[in-house]
Amino acid sequence: DVKVTQSSRYLVKRTGEKVFLECVQDMDHENMFWYRQDPGLGLRLIYFSYDVKMKEKGDIPEGYSVSREKKERFSLILESASTNQTSMYLCASNRDRKNYGYTFGSGTRLTVV
Amino acid sequence: SQQGEEDPQALSIQEGENATMNCSYKTSINNLQWYRQNSGRGLVHLILIRSNEREKHSGRLRVTLDTSKKSSSLLITASRAADTASYFCATDSTGGFKTIFGAGTRLFVKA
Repeated sequence: DVKVTQSSRYLVKRTGEKVFLECVQDMDHENMFWYRQDPGLGLRLIYFSYDVKMKEKGDIPEGYSVSREKKERFSLILESASTNQTSMYLCASNRDRKNYGYTFGSGTRLTVV
Repeated sequence: SQQGEEDPQALSIQEGENATMNCSYKTSINNLQWYRQNSGRGLVHLILIRSNEREKHSGRLRVTLDTSKKSSSLLITASRAADTASYFCATDSTGGFKTIFGAGTRLFVKA
């Protein structure tokens, strides 16, 4: 069963901490994405990557960075966590967005206190 | 309104009834997708319909697409309590670089 795995389901971090959210996919997909989901706002794209070592900003990249050193792994980094980054974070991968749907991980619910 | 906007925001029906959710969008698209999300979990892809298609079926799901009206509908027939979830449409726009997700419809199926 192909899948996208996010390393943590729940995280609680303190303001100012550096936070790493890890995502691994086993489908050999080139395309990987990080979204955050907040009530009433739907899914908002933070960063995406179409290839190893490649990254592109999405709609809300401020306060975040990403790393893609290997094809299967796409990490989201909160450089200095703030309370307004409390959210559900969803990683997804896709073979070809014009012809295929996205496979999502189970999500990481991050609380910054 | 946003690209990929679902209607209604919430829907409550009895088990066995049909559920219909609608999605409207603004720009030309390559495809439109529907996803389900159970509470606190990731999204699960249900159906992708291309811009040159008008209808697709998958089990109890039926999706229609009207590109002239820039709208789509998702019909779930003979609903079950297990269908209780949020449903999202997502559009992949021509000339765009990303897929845009709507805010979702919350469906509650009462046993």
